[in-house]
Amino acid sequence: DAMVIQNPRYQVTQFGKPVTLSCSQTLNHNVMYWYQQKSSQAPKLLFHYYDKDFNNEADTPDNFQSRRPNTSFCFLDIRSPGLGDAAMYLCATSRASRGRTDTQYFGPGTRLTVL
Amino acid sequence: AQSVSQHNHHVILSEAASLELGCNYSYGGTVNLFWYVQYPGQHLQLLLKYFSGDPLVKGIKGFEAEFIKSKFSFNLRKPSVQWSDTAEYFCAVNLFSGGYNKLIFGAGTRLAVHP
Repeated sequence: DAMVIQNPRYQVTQFGKPVTLSCSQTLNHNVMYWYQQKSSQAPKLLFHYYDKDFNNEADTPDNFQSRRPNTSFCFLDIRSPGLGDAAMYLCATSRASRGRTDTQYFGPGTRLTVL
Repeated sequence: AQSVSQHNHHVILSEAASLELGCNYSYGGTVNLFWYVQYPGQHLQLLLKYFSGDPLVKGIKGFEAEFIKSKFSFNLRKPSVQWSDTAEYFCAVNLFSGGYNKLIFGAGTRLAVHP
């Protein structure tokens, strides 16, 4: 089945220690998104790639970076995780072209714990 | 700023009761509307969506939602809930802004159905 895969499902890191979360997709979608979801809150968009174009949300901290080496993979890098960065990180994909919307499909998420 | 409001954060129902979850959004332009569901331990899944046409949308598992443009609302309904409907439900609005699509989520409603 075509799907969005996130690895690892659970990640524990230490305060200030860089961490990378991974997302891959078999849907061949051209747009990939990263969301942060804290407990009992709505998912919040951090940034997205439209093909190779990176689009950062205005309020996303500089501590968060992303890479998309090819269509299938997208990475979320947290350079110096703080305790406030503990959350569920969701990857989503969609097929979209400018002026046309489409449904976003979500991966299972990576739960990040910062010690 | 655009926002999505879900009025009920927690709902508790008995099996066979009827369900209505409220969702209102603040955006004056053309919107696409979604309800996503997140079952315990699982990823966000699309329940139903409205892009255009008939404002009464039918989704999976007997859910439906009605888009009322004049009220900026997209309420989710199910005539008779089951224990397996226990989950968190998120309303979302897809905006086309700055040349890209952006999904804005509500805070979610946690539904518990008791047998």
